[in-house]
Parts: sequence; C-alpha cells; structure tokens
Amino acid sequence: ETGVTQSPTHLIKTRGQQVTLRCSSQSGHNTVSWYQQALGQGPQFIFQYYREEENGRGNFPPRFSGLQFPNYSSELNVNALELDDSALYLCASSPEPDRGYYGYTFGSGTRLTVV
Amino acid sequence: ELKVEQNPLFLSMQEGKNYTIYCNYSTTSDRLYWYRQDPGKSLESLFVLLSNGAVKQEGRLMASLDTKARLSTLHITAAVHDLSATYFCAVDIYNTDKLIFGTGTRLQVFP
Repeated sequence: ETGVTQSPTHLIKTRGQQVTLRCSSQSGHNTVSWYQQALGQGPQFIFQYYREEENGRGNFPPRFSGLQFPNYSSELNVNALELDDSALYLCASSPEPDRGYYGYTFGSGTRLTVV
Repeated sequence: ELKVEQNPLFLSMQEGKNYTIYCNYSTTSDRLYWYRQDPGKSLESLFVLLSNGAVKQEGRLMASLDTKARLSTLHITAAVHDLSATYFCAVDIYNTDKLIFGTGTRLQVFP
C-alpha cells in the first residue's frame, strides 16, 4: 500500500508567477485535503476535494484553486504568487469524508519559496 | 470561529522528567488528533482520539480527551532526547475531515 506522495519537494518561484503542486493520494483514499504551513505556524486548511468536487474551503483567496482527477490524485494551483505564499504545502488523504477515525495520511510536503 | 490553542508554545525539559502539553478548543468536537513534526519534515500521526474520555498511550506519550471541557492533553513520561520535535493537536471541524491545527508546542529535551 503506497502512502501519499507529493511533488516537487522544493520549488522556487518569482512573485507574480503561477505554480502547480501535485499530490497522489494513498491507495483506496478518495478524499484529498490541502494545507499551508507557514514557517513556525500550524498548518492551515486550504480546501478539500472529494470525488473530483471541491468539498469545503478555508479562508484562502480564489487565486488558490485545485483539481482532483478520476484516479483521486490532486493538484493545487496558486496564481499571482505573493511573498507570503512561501510555505510548506501539505496534502492529506482519507478514505471518505467523515471517516477521520482512520486518521489522516500526510504527504511529505512541497516547500515553496517565493522571491 | 473554531480556535485551537496549545500551551506551552515552547517547552525545554530535562531528560527523565515528566510534563504535559495542553490543547484547548473553542467549539464542540469529538475528534482530536495529535501529530509530531520534526524540523523540515511532514506530520507524523501520533494519536486519534474519538470520544469523551478516550486515552491512548504509545511509549512515553499518553494522550487524553475531555470533550466536555474541550481539552486534550499530551503527557510525556521520562522524556528522552528523541522526543524533541514540535507537537500539534488538531480538531476536526464538525466531523468533516477538515482539521484546525493548534499553534504547536516546540519540545526540546536536553541531557
């Protein structure tokens, strides 16, 4: 059984550019959630995808968008990058919404630096 | 707005000592999670607490949940250096698999 994999591991972008981060969910999991973790802070919920539809969103602007594909992998897209977008981006997968009793599997994260 | 607060934010403790990290949250939830994070790394799941009075133990760590008091604790027994990390609690928003994380407690264990 594979875990959650994220790519790339590190990324440096220039302010104003666009970035796409990728996540492959754990086998058997159809729900993917994305989190942003700024340095020295706890992760913040960005949004969740379930069966290719957005299923809840945190307090992030529309320039943060996502996709989920039929194989349940997911992308996080950020447009018009700002310096404050520099963070560790984590994705987590779970079997179904409201199945948190299984716990969540987090990927190793993508470290994004905006310069 | 759901808030999750941890204290202390930073904990420096000697090997062999005991200590407790506290996690308070502001609204009803019966799902609470504890994670460990090493510098530059992702989150490692430690405990999943799903009901009032739940207690789980793994090695030198023990976690408990009091949903009436909206409080969870992570107790460290006879700390060792390998426990040095940042510990986060997280609460599930109305059982929707969307987590609100606490501020984190950075634990440093010294000889």
